[in-house]
Amino acid sequence: GIQVEQSPPDLILQEGANSTLRCNFSDSVNNLQWFHQNPWGQLINLFYIPSGTKQNGRLSATTVATERYSLLYISSSQTTDSGVYFCAVAERRAGTASKLTFGTGTRLQVTL
Amino acid sequence: DAGVIQSPRHEVTEMGQEVTLRCKPISGHDYLFWYRQTMMRGLELLIYFNNNVPIDDSGMPEDRFSAKMPNASFSTLKIQPSEPRDSAVYFCASSLGQDNLLYEQYFGPGTRLTVT
Repeated sequence: GIQVEQSPPDLILQEGANSTLRCNFSDSVNNLQWFHQNPWGQLINLFYIPSGTKQNGRLSATTVATERYSLLYISSSQTTDSGVYFCAVAERRAGTASKLTFGTGTRLQVTL
Repeated sequence: DAGVIQSPRHEVTEMGQEVTLRCKPISGHDYLFWYRQTMMRGLELLIYFNNNVPIDDSGMPEDRFSAKMPNASFSTLKIQPSEPRDSAVYFCASSLGQDNLLYEQYFGPGTRLTVT
């Protein structure tokens, strides 16, 4: 099955700093999502971005499907950004809908 | 919309007991997914349904686990008998789909299961 690698595994930032999280995947995809799992365990949708670039406030994401990677940018980080960021992809294949495969996540801690 | 609803939010049970987790997907969504999250294995898909029909149950760990979707607005995941290694957070998610393409998935708040 498709492999999903996220980097870095852990990240500590001071409030106000910017960061880039990366997601590499091993095969063609027709679905890519970024999630934030907050310290209470909720999985929050950030982006549905199988290709292209999107922005939502201080967050933006870019997926380059032909090169099999996606980037999540966090600008002016806040303590509420702390948690685990997951990338999840669905492999492109003919005939059947493909399930989401999750990466192992990037654990972000934003300090004052 | 209320989002995906799961119940109970927390469940503590003794080994050997039956456990039933419940999920109500977002209205109009035709795909429903059950996931399990543990520290060791991360987030893994157990089973998913399309139009109430199970499509892929290859992630169901063993025969002690079963899932049903009797109608478009309700699904259950049952564990019988439960074991301590089943302790995990169980998430339900739903999405729309078209022509074998799944659109954005939305997750419920999860059920934290502890089996003693």
